[in-house]
Amino acid sequence: GAGVSQSPSNKVTEKGKDVELRCDPISGHTALYWYRQSLGQGLEFLIYFQGNSAPDKSGLPSDRFSAERTGGSVSTLTIQRTQQEDSAVYLCASRSLGGGGATDTQYFGPGTRLTVL
Amino acid sequence: AQSVTQLGSHVSVSEGALVLLRCNYSSSVPPYLFWYVQYPNQGLQLLLKYTSAATLVKGINGFEAEFKKSETSFHLTKPSAHMSDAAEYFCAVSDLKDSSYKLIFGSGTRLLVRP
Repeated sequence: GAGVSQSPSNKVTEKGKDVELRCDPISGHTALYWYRQSLGQGLEFLIYFQGNSAPDKSGLPSDRFSAERTGGSVSTLTIQRTQQEDSAVYLCASRSLGGGGATDTQYFGPGTRLTVL
Repeated sequence: AQSVTQLGSHVSVSEGALVLLRCNYSSSVPPYLFWYVQYPNQGLQLLLKYTSAATLVKGINGFEAEFKKSETSFHLTKPSAHMSDAAEYFCAVSDLKDSSYKLIFGSGTRLLVRP
């Protein structure tokens, strides 16, 4: 019944460290998205999951970024060797595959604010 | 590629005044269009969406938007602003040819409501 949840809400890390961000989608939502919101780039798409597979990874900015999804539910976005330009709010969204396709609403979580020092 | 342009990074209105936030899309084929609102330190909440059923779309909190194909626009309006409307508003498009249905967002407009 709850909405999309993300953890942690805030993460401060040092340059060069790896970080993992977690997303719990709405129960039963098979589509899951990661977006990034930063001052310089605005809101941008990162990756899309349908079930456990990721047919669209076109928004991942570099090979330091990866994501996985297990059990068709929880997703983890991993950033390796973080850089200062990775500082942003990382938003997760989920969508039911109700047959409406693009008209089905994407529901967003509150985001994880990542700060790389 | 699809894109959306939001004119005005900041819009300031008096409480009770008309709210008009502008959004233009670039596509030869009308896409699906969305308006989302983001309150401070929160995620995005859907206000309304255009899915070709009707050109005038009514959303939550008294907002509405009109799809105008001839102008490639989907401007958001509200007749009377409330203080609680102060937030950032994002227009987004979804490409019907893209099976992921990912959202492409505009740069956002921050609405300030003066008492």
